[in-house]
Amino acid sequence: EAQVTQNPRYLITVTGKKLTVTCSQNMNHEYMSWYRQDPGLGLRQIYYSMNVEVTDKGDVPEGYKVSRKEKRNFPLILESPSPNQTSLYFCASNRVGTEAFFGQGTRLTVV
Amino acid sequence: KNEVEQSPQNLTAQEGEFITINCSYSVGISALHWLQQHPGGGIVSLFMLSSGKKKHGRLIATINIQEKHSSLHITASHPRDSAVYICAVPDNYGQNFVFGPGTRLSVLP
Repeated sequence: EAQVTQNPRYLITVTGKKLTVTCSQNMNHEYMSWYRQDPGLGLRQIYYSMNVEVTDKGDVPEGYKVSRKEKRNFPLILESPSPNQTSLYFCASNRVGTEAFFGQGTRLTVV
Repeated sequence: KNEVEQSPQNLTAQEGEFITINCSYSVGISALHWLQQHPGGGIVSLFMLSSGKKKHGRLIATINIQEKHSSLHITASHPRDSAVYICAVPDNYGQNFVFGPGTRLSVLP
């Protein structure tokens, strides 16, 4: 089954404690991206990757890092999380110009 | 940057009603996407269309490229259709998505 898998689904952490949200896709897609969704602001892109070792900033990259060492994986790293990073996060993948597949989302709370 | 608007912002309907959600965008595109976000948070892609009309079950999506407008219709609506519906278009470079603000639909039994 074609899918994008995110983990964890829910996470509560404390300010400053490094965390990683994993994202994996099984469709051999070149393009992967991370979004955050906040009430009243909709979905905003954090980072994206066009292929292995190719990443670029989206609209709201501050405070986040990503890596793309393998085609299937695109982890999102928060080196020093802050409360303003409390949000619902989505990973997505697609071939450029085709429909996107979304992960189930990760609800992150930073206290 | 492409600007995407949706209307209505919120919609409450009775079961069985015909529903229309509208999406307009500012810059010409190659294709438009309709997404559905369930109350639990997950997002699924409903349609990707570049012209004309597509139909999946009770869902119909249409697009008018010249008018930069798309509509999502739901026939014989059901409470399980309650969700947020989001349209998305490519940005100016065609690589990333620009999302509309979403339409929150509630279908009452």
